[in-house]
Amino acid sequence: DADVTQTPRNRITKTGKRIMLECSQTKGHDRMYWYRQDPGLGLRLIYYSFDVKDINKGEISDGYSVSRQAQAKFSLSLESAIPNQTALYFCATSDPMGEQYFGPGTRLTVT
Amino acid sequence: AQSVTQPDIHITVSEGASLELRCNYSYGATPYLFWYVQSPGQGLQLLLKYFSGDTLVQGIKGFEAEFKRSQSSFNLRKPSVHWSDAAEYFCAVGARDTGNQFYFGTGTSLTVIP
Repeated sequence: DADVTQTPRNRITKTGKRIMLECSQTKGHDRMYWYRQDPGLGLRLIYYSFDVKDINKGEISDGYSVSRQAQAKFSLSLESAIPNQTALYFCATSDPMGEQYFGPGTRLTVT
Repeated sequence: AQSVTQPDIHITVSEGASLELRCNYSYGATPYLFWYVQSPGQGLQLLLKYFSGDTLVQGIKGFEAEFKRSQSSFNLRKPSVHWSDAAEYFCAVGARDTGNQFYFGTGTSLTVIP
């Protein structure tokens, strides 16, 4: 089984809808991250969490919120989706040395 | 501020030819450095990483990269490219003093022609 899983893998939603992307990990890492990938822009950090009680904004947090329900679970929410949030979203965990392990990604389309 | 630059948006090479993908970073201290590969429709796979020590690091699939502190570079190389190497390649720097945040370059898309 994969160490970092994301659900759903694909999602199409309408403008204004609330949507949640979920991430689970079995690596036992404290640190978890959410990124979005857009063509030509690479991956940009949305939010990161060092542990259940420590959540931090990344480079592009506007329009997003997160919840760290447990060490193994880190969810990303779009309270009111807009078309420019159409992107590929990746969850990742980090080991103490700093290497990051990525989930398979969630492709989100907002129409 | 930390940043990563991949100057080449797209590179085309012939199968069997050598490859070098450029990566330059900006960071005040010794960074962690990584190369990831992303095949179409797939997630990111780690090719190799540098934390400290020997500046020439070997990775999977025959890739290697050299850390050059004086040039703030971490270029990825492969002596003979295979058609299956066609993918997008991302360089990333991990910032030790900010909780191991990653900063990614914008990627280099590699096309391999027969």
